[in-house]
Amino acid sequence: SQKIEQNSEALNIQEGKTATLTCNYTNYSPAYLQWYRQDPGRGPVFLLLIRENEKEKRKERLKVTFDTTLKQSLFHITASQPADSATYLCASIPVSGGYNKLIFGAGTRLAVHP
Amino acid sequence: ETGVTQSPTHLIKTRGQQVTLRCSSQSGHNTVSWYQQALGQGPQFIFQYYREEENGRGNFPPRFSGLQFPNYSSELNVNALELDDSALYLCASSSAGTGALETQYFGPGTRLLVL
Repeated sequence: SQKIEQNSEALNIQEGKTATLTCNYTNYSPAYLQWYRQDPGRGPVFLLLIRENEKEKRKERLKVTFDTTLKQSLFHITASQPADSATYLCASIPVSGGYNKLIFGAGTRLAVHP
Repeated sequence: ETGVTQSPTHLIKTRGQQVTLRCSSQSGHNTVSWYQQALGQGPQFIFQYYREEENGRGNFPPRFSGLQFPNYSSELNVNALELDDSALYLCASSSAGTGALETQYFGPGTRLLVL
C-alpha cells in the first residue's frame, strides 16, 4: 500500500543549528510533497510544497528537497529557534490520485533548546 | 478572509452513540476534506466533498458519512461510535475541486473522546 514514513523519534537540537527532517515514500510516485507544521491540539499549517519535477524549494529559513531516485524528501530549518518546536508532517498525493486525498506521515517532533 | 472553523472543539460520547461534527470552510473554497488523527499518528483521509457531492473516500466504514451544504460548509456524522473512534477530527478546505494540486487549509479540529 502507498506509504509515507517519517522518523518517529523526536529530534532535539540546539538553538541556531539546522534541523533536518526526513520523509520517505514507498509503493507510489507522488505528484508533489507538502510539509506541514502541527502544534499540540491544533490543525496542521501548510509550510511548503515541492513538485516532482523540482529538486529544491526555499521559503525564508525553510528548505525542502525532493529526490525521486531515493524516494525521499528532506526538510531543513536553518538558524532554528525554540519557536520552531512542533511536529512536522510530510504529506503527498499520488500521481494517480485524482482528488485531494492527502497521505500523511506520522510526523516528526522537533524540539529546539535554548 | 476567514479561516476554517470547526465545532465543537471537544466532545465526549459513549460507545454506540452518534455524533455530528461541523466545519465552515474558508471563504471562496468549494472543497472540504475530513481527516481522522489518532494520538501520535498523522491524519488519515476519511472523505472529500466537492460541490455537495462525495468525491473520494478513504478506508473508513459506511458509519462515517458526510454532507456538504450549498454554502460549502460540511458535516461529518459517525454512527455507532466505537472506542477506536476517539481522535482529533480535522476538516480542510481548498478551492481546487477534483485532481488539482492545491493547498488545503486545516481547521483547529474537534477532539472526540468515546468512553
